[in-house]
Amino acid sequence: FMLTQPHSVSESPGMTVTISCTRSSGSIDSNYVQWYQQRPGTSLITVIYEDHQRPSGVPDRFSGSIDSPSNSASLTISGLRTEDEADYYCQSYDGTSRVFGGGTRLTVL
Amino acid sequence: EVHLLESGGGLVQPGGSLRLSCACSGFTFNNHAMNWVRQAPGKGLEWVASISASGGRTHLADPVKGRFTISRDNSNHTLFLQINNLTAEDTAIYFCAQSPPSSPMLTLAFWGQGSLVTVSP
Repeated sequence: FMLTQPHSVSESPGMTVTISCTRSSGSIDSNYVQWYQQRPGTSLITVIYEDHQRPSGVPDRFSGSIDSPSNSASLTISGLRTEDEADYYCQSYDGTSRVFGGGTRLTVL
Repeated sequence: EVHLLESGGGLVQPGGSLRLSCACSGFTFNNHAMNWVRQAPGKGLEWVASISASGGRTHLADPVKGRFTISRDNSNHTLFLQINNLTAEDTAIYFCAQSPPSSPMLTLAFWGQGSLVTVSP
């Protein structure tokens, strides 16, 4: 299966942005979805795991959700800050594959 | 604090071999499955390999089966990736990543800084 994300999104500081991740086959709610943040030139951190769980240290401005009718997951970031500017990757799995989305470049302008 | 430190990357000729290491600290290593994920220059992420906490179970992505081997040394808290018969398509940053106990070998909790492997004549 594949996970499809928008190539890029942009929003102003203080606003809210939502990044989608659509699963091509199989149910989005049959396996957990994770979200990873990669700031320019750096490694990655996990911002959401198991659909909507937030690791300690990740601000509550970050939230995750699942929408079964559209077979998609979403990452929502509220109160945008310039430090949120990064690439965001969704990830899920099935019995044989661990799959990443292609990534979404978030620009905070 | 969880710390994952990769090493062993470098410039290798096509057909060559390399062994990457990931030294782990700040958590109980033998309680966690571990993984390797790679990122080609300017590209997205690709899951490469996973190994269970005990080392008894492994999973390799189809593109690397037969050429890559994942292993671990629980006594020394170190993860390994043996890469053989390298091609230009293997050029990437290789990240070591820890799985949480709740979903071993399926999701990723913490990441290392990565080790760059460049395959070129």
